[in-house]
Amino acid sequence: EAGVAQSPRYKIIEKRQSVAFWCNPISGHATLYWYQQILGQGPKLLIQFQNNGVVDDSQLPKDRFSAERLKGVDSTLKIQPAKLEDSAVYLCASSRSVSPSAGYTFGSGTRLTVV
Amino acid sequence: RKEVEQDPGPFNVPEGATVAFNCTYSNSASQSFFWYRQDCRKEPKLLMSVYSSGNEDGRFTAQLNRASQYISLLIRDSKLSDSATYLCVVTPPSSNTGKLIFGQGTTLQVKP
Repeated sequence: EAGVAQSPRYKIIEKRQSVAFWCNPISGHATLYWYQQILGQGPKLLIQFQNNGVVDDSQLPKDRFSAERLKGVDSTLKIQPAKLEDSAVYLCASSRSVSPSAGYTFGSGTRLTVV
Repeated sequence: RKEVEQDPGPFNVPEGATVAFNCTYSNSASQSFFWYRQDCRKEPKLLMSVYSSGNEDGRFTAQLNRASQYISLLIRDSKLSDSATYLCVVTPPSSNTGKLIFGQGTTLQVKP
């Protein structure tokens, strides 16, 4: 079974620029998550999709972050404009359902550095 | 107060040692509990689920104390390959979300 694919692997941008990340979940996984992991901290959920609908975006900074999951498969996460504090690893994960026992698979992440 | 609190360490132990990590969680209605392992510059991976009855997987033993809102992980006979960050994870009370709430992680360094 192929894993969760993310791109790019690394990205360096200047503050106030825009950036987008892409995620392709495991085939058949209805639930997709974007987490932000700042250095020295655990991952924090930004947004959760069930198919192409948003389940939880309570911790997404909506003034600058946006995400979509068209057709309930691939997803993109965008930051516009970026701030220095957005430097982090952005992890995409997918699972078959929202049940904790459904199994969670993380992608390798996109490491963003804002300078 | 953080939802999940862990001692960040690092814990430096010799090979063969037994080491224990603890974490506490703030919401008494949290539903499920896990330990994840994260290697340097890698993604988190599930190590084991945690149950009130305690569970064991080889050299690893996890325990949950709901009354004290406390989760533990014991690693026996430490190997060099156990060096990693161990993340304590809980799920919120709501059953309609797969959200994971992570602690900041405890770093383990096993020395030869």
